[in-house]
Amino acid sequence: AQTVTQSQPEMSVQEAETVTLSCTYDTSESNYYLFWYKQPPSRQMILVIRQEAYKQQNATENRFSVNFQKAAKSFSLKISDSQLGDTAMYFCAFMKPIPSSGSARQLTFGSGTQLTVLP
Amino acid sequence: NAGVTQTPKFRVLKTGQSMTLLCAQDMNHEYMYWYRQDPGMGLRLIHYSVGEGTTAKGEVPDGYNVSRLKKQNFLLGLESAAPSQTSVYFCASSWTPTLNTGELFFGEGSRLTVL
Repeated sequence: AQTVTQSQPEMSVQEAETVTLSCTYDTSESNYYLFWYKQPPSRQMILVIRQEAYKQQNATENRFSVNFQKAAKSFSLKISDSQLGDTAMYFCAFMKPIPSSGSARQLTFGSGTQLTVLP
Repeated sequence: NAGVTQTPKFRVLKTGQSMTLLCAQDMNHEYMYWYRQDPGMGLRLIHYSVGEGTTAKGEVPDGYNVSRLKKQNFLLGLESAAPSQTSVYFCASSWTPTLNTGELFFGEGSRLTVL
């Protein structure tokens, strides 16, 4: 079974500081995609950042960056200069093929980390 | 563009009642998905569709049926609602996962409560 584990149910950070959310996953595949999604109180699922497993370079999107350790199957999210608007549930997700579906893929999600940015 | 739109946003049902959730996307996406989100469990795939007229089961399909009669619409049906189906339901769509980065575009979710 392929799973995604987020071991930090809740975290908090002071505004303007840096925080790192951890994620580990289990897979036997060599090429895949990893994602971090943000879910604010509005419930909308918002893509924060993606990483392609075959790329050595860690993905960055403005204040968001990842530390992708393929051998360790680790995919952490770093948020720099935290802002109040970053308060949300953050989900790590792994894109995998759906068995017997041809080319279809599905996202498998971790259980999430609730991040609170404190003023 | 509206993106992915779900209706209704909220619904309360009694055990045994039936209902249908509608998902509409205006991005001409081939793939559509229904997920459910429960506390502490992330999102789990219920059913998916790889194109008009096709549907398939995901991880937790029991108690649900789906239809994709038109490319832009993906319906999720509960024939006899049970309290265990109390959840937030998300619809998502994507182009062709093998040709792009696989990003899913999500609707805003539909909160369903079964009493």
